[in-house]
Amino acid sequence: AAGVIQSPRHLIKEKRETATLKCYPIPRHDTVYWYQQGPGQDPQFLISFYEKMQSDKGSIPDRFSAQQFSDYHSELNMSSLELGDSALYFCASSAPRGELEQFFGPGTRLTVL
Amino acid sequence: GEDVEQSLFLSVREGDSSVINCTYTDSSSTYLYWYKQEPGAGLQLLTYIFSNMDMKQDQRLTVLLNKKDKHLSLRIADTQTGDSAIYFCAEPKGGGYNKLIFGAGTRLAVHP
Repeated sequence: AAGVIQSPRHLIKEKRETATLKCYPIPRHDTVYWYQQGPGQDPQFLISFYEKMQSDKGSIPDRFSAQQFSDYHSELNMSSLELGDSALYFCASSAPRGELEQFFGPGTRLTVL
Repeated sequence: GEDVEQSLFLSVREGDSSVINCTYTDSSSTYLYWYKQEPGAGLQLLTYIFSNMDMKQDQRLTVLLNKKDKHLSLRIADTQTGDSAIYFCAEPKGGGYNKLIFGAGTRLAVHP
């Protein structure tokens, strides 16, 4: 069965650079969530999209932005990267409202040097 | 997570039962989840329980829910070395779009 795809799987950037993370949800899933998991931390909700509109916002820095496109894939754009942005970034998707399970992708490991 | 609490470590012998505990704060949560994360890997949904249930059993997994005390537990019977991982409980928040609030995670170590 198709799963959530994230790219790239690993990314190394310098401080003050920008990064773009991509997420391809499971086909027919219309809701996408982004989470950030720092080393030894639990995943923290960043932002979510439903039908290409932002549906909820969590602890996402102003330096980050995200969007969901017409094909339902989503991109998380991160600018002015800081050392503290080094983390595992997960994308999850869920089926049209009423479905309970969020399916998580394998994550993108971002390292900021 | 600020709203969901778990103990951080649990060590068990192979073949024994493991019990991982979680407390949550939002009594209106309609369902609660258990996720498993192996080293360097993503999050795998293990099971979930509706708030109108007290217990749910799925093969080696048993979930107990005490709504009065806002306490959730996950019991793994006959724990195997492959069960070594971090286990997160999570509750949905945010109305219809259900972002997940995770506990800090319990690291389960299974030794021979």
